[in-house]
Amino acid sequence: GENVEQHPSTLSVQEGDSAVIKCTYSDSASNYFPWYKQELGKGPQLIIDIRSNVGEKKDQRIAVTLNKTAKHFSLHITETQPEDSAVYFCAANSGYSTLTFGKGTMLLVSP
Amino acid sequence: NAGVMQNPRHLVRRRGQEARLRCSPMKGHSHVYWYRQLPEEGLKFMVYLQKENIIDESGMPKERFSAEFPKEGPSILRIQQVVRGDSAAYFCASSPQDTHYEQYFGPGTRLTVT
Repeated sequence: GENVEQHPSTLSVQEGDSAVIKCTYSDSASNYFPWYKQELGKGPQLIIDIRSNVGEKKDQRIAVTLNKTAKHFSLHITETQPEDSAVYFCAANSGYSTLTFGKGTMLLVSP
Repeated sequence: NAGVMQNPRHLVRRRGQEARLRCSPMKGHSHVYWYRQLPEEGLKFMVYLQKENIIDESGMPKERFSAEFPKEGPSILRIQQVVRGDSAAYFCASSPQDTHYEQYFGPGTRLTVT
């Protein structure tokens, strides 16, 4: 089955800096890669996703890149703000219906 | 447009009791997924259901766990004879019929087994 590795497990940045979180996956058949943000005590929130027919997607301060050959994808957050502090999860689809998640990155943005 | 709703938000059960977790998908969504999250870990897929059908239960423990999504009413995740190892956050997600992978999560139910 699919295996998703995520790095780093924790990331501390200063407000205004950029943050990059990287994931690798194992199943070459995977074609959908979402990113979720989870705040303490809440459910994961879908913030951006990318499908395998594109290499990059942007939405305001966040962007995701995908390298299918190398089987890795990354989340980029620019001009970070304290409210970006949360746990971020990457995922990849496996099979027909399921998502396999990475173990998460705790992002801390200091004012 | 209400999001995915789960109740209860917190549930405490003694060992050996039954736990019932409920999930109402977003309006217009006909696919429901259940995930379990242990502390400092990612989400682990448990089961995928459509109305009156279990599509994929490959992540469900073989014993004590069951799930249903009846024609009317919420999806139910049922855990019989709970043990301390069942303590976790259980999340439900739903997706529209034509985009199976875009899953939107509810706030979760935090189960504590004492």
